[in-house]
Amino acid sequence: AQSVAQPEDQVNVAEGNPLTVKCTYSVSGNPYLFWYVQYPNRGLQFLLKYITGDNLVKGSYGFEAEFNKSQTSFHLKKPSALVSDSALYFCAVPRGNTGKLIFGQGTTLQVKP
Amino acid sequence: DAGVTQSPTHLIKTRGQQVTLRCSPKSGHDTVSWYQQALGQGPQFIFQYYEEEERQRGNFPDRFSGHQFPNYSSELNVNALLLGDSALYLCASSTGQGVYQPQHFGDGTRLSIL
Repeated sequence: AQSVAQPEDQVNVAEGNPLTVKCTYSVSGNPYLFWYVQYPNRGLQFLLKYITGDNLVKGSYGFEAEFNKSQTSFHLKKPSALVSDSALYFCAVPRGNTGKLIFGQGTTLQVKP
Repeated sequence: DAGVTQSPTHLIKTRGQQVTLRCSPKSGHDTVSWYQQALGQGPQFIFQYYEEEERQRGNFPDRFSGHQFPNYSSELNVNALLLGDSALYLCASSTGQGVYQPQHFGDGTRLSIL
């Protein structure tokens, strides 16, 4: 069964420092992977996706993610964190060929000035 | 271009009551999915509607039902409400049922059961 795991409940980083939010996956076949962000009292916003091709995927708001097949990981990264990046981040994988998204448990990113 | 809109934003009900939540998809989208997000958890898939039919369903009881209208808007109905149904209910829309396109989410309906 398709699944993703986010091993960290919270990540703390200082503004201007690089950030990484971790995600590992377990899928059969070719993985399709997504990152979403959720700000307080809001829905989820799409950041980026990996379907196939380059292992480094660029997305919205300066975020990027690195797909690593050997480590079954899809970590979200940003070279320089902003306070406004503080939010809840989810990685997700679709179940089979359906639009049913399976989400990780989420990682709270706290960026301090 | 309006995104996904959901109504109402907040709702308070008591146990045993019934509730209807509404969703209008993003312009150009024809597929609507519903998710339940409990506090501190990731969203859990309830079901997906395409061409006015339920196409996929998650592990939710029959108390949860839905509908999609010809204009692609959708409703989520929950009967015999339980305290455990308290959650943020998210609607997401996309083009087709495929896995390649990202789903666009509304801001949700916060349902509280007393």
